[in-house]
Amino acid sequence: GNSVTQMEGPVTLSEEAFLTINCTYTATGYPSLFWYVQYPGEGLQLLLKATKADDKGSNKGFEATYRKETTSFHLEKGSVQVSDSAVYFCALRYTGGGNKLTFGTGTQLKVEL
Amino acid sequence: GAGVSQTPSNKVTEKGKYVELRCDPISGHTALYWYRQSLGQGPEFLIYFQGTGAADDSGLPNDRFFAVRPEGSVSTLKIQRTERGDSAVYLCASSLVGGGAPDTQYFGPGTRLTVL
Repeated sequence: GNSVTQMEGPVTLSEEAFLTINCTYTATGYPSLFWYVQYPGEGLQLLLKATKADDKGSNKGFEATYRKETTSFHLEKGSVQVSDSAVYFCALRYTGGGNKLTFGTGTQLKVEL
Repeated sequence: GAGVSQTPSNKVTEKGKYVELRCDPISGHTALYWYRQSLGQGPEFLIYFQGTGAADDSGLPNDRFFAVRPEGSVSTLKIQRTERGDSAVYLCASSLVGGGAPDTQYFGPGTRLTVL
């Protein structure tokens, strides 16, 4: 079936550190891939997306590249800030699945001064 | 403009009771989705509406769960004979088009349901 696997958290970093949150997927066809972020006390927000292989999604200094050969969509940021502390969810929308999303379990990021 | 809103924000009920959870989508959005997020998990799809009709209800766990969207705007998720395992955050999302077209889903803040 279709599924998303994320690295477990929490991930704790110092401010200005480099961030990687791993995400791999299993899906039939050519899914679209997403990163959503959930800040404390807020709803899920779309952070970035990529709809085909080798696409790079980017937003707010975050980037992720759709790698079909490794079925991955790792989230990266060169220099994290305390305000980036949140839970990050990788998700896919698979071919033939309509517009519904399949999410990973989420990775909590804590950034400290 | 206003985002997706959900009421109530918290609901505590007793096992066996009936509950209704409400979602107000973004104005003009034709597609509406319900997801359930258990503690420590990602959201899981429940049901998707395109207009007034349920286009995909494959995620509803059993016949105790039902959802309606009678006028193609507000939706209500109804849970009968609640069980402790129903405790979760219920998320609603809406998107402009739906219908299998790839468009962005906007999520509400969720309703936290606790079944005692």
